[in-house]
Amino acid sequence: QVQLVQSGAEVKKPGASVKVSCKASGYTLTDYNMHWVRQAPGQGLEWMGRIVSNSGGTNYAQKFQDRVTMTRDTSISTAYMELTRLTSDDTAVYFCARGHNFGFDYWGQGTLVTVSS
Amino acid sequence: QSALTQPPSASGSPGQSVTISCTGTSSDVGGYNYVSWYQQHPGKAPKIMILEVTKRPSGVPDRFSGSKSGNTASLTVSGLQAEDEADYYCSSYAGSSIWVFGGGTKLTVL
Repeated sequence: QVQLVQSGAEVKKPGASVKVSCKASGYTLTDYNMHWVRQAPGQGLEWMGRIVSNSGGTNYAQKFQDRVTMTRDTSISTAYMELTRLTSDDTAVYFCARGHNFGFDYWGQGTLVTVSS
Repeated sequence: QSALTQPPSASGSPGQSVTISCTGTSSDVGGYNYVSWYQQHPGKAPKIMILEVTKRPSGVPDRFSGSKSGNTASLTVSGLQAEDEADYYCSSYAGSSIWVFGGGTKLTVL
């Protein structure tokens, strides 16, 4: 069965970077796009970007264009999302989600990133 | 890219039907048949309920249905059950490899 398992919670200081991982099982990572979505405390979902299935190319939301990098290591079926220059506004749960038919059919359990001095 | 507009709350009694709207523009909801809907219980990851406006993935009860008219998509939950109480989010493809979510609707089963 398809599973996306994310890395554990992180606490970071303002200005630091964070890298969240998402290990896929039950399917081949390169057969589907992988998206990243975040959710600030008590807020809605926000699409951050995606890494394209076959090419490994990326598309980012304009808001994160200069701070986010999405990568993958196909040898270990793992996708990564790195966000730099963190501020308190980046405190959120970060989800990876498999792309399917222009939606998101499987989601990771989420990774809480807390930015605090 | 602006977020899609959803009502912050909706409610209904068990057995009743409730419809949640999701309004965008001709650049997203109105321009593509790529609206999807997600259910999220507190502290959990979202779960896909509807893909491509009307398609229900395997395992989703047929009480859930989707539709679209112009720039507004809708999710209807029929025969409300207690376990349907959750937050619901719409999402749409917005062209140029960009996606956008709605602000979410809290559904309360009275």
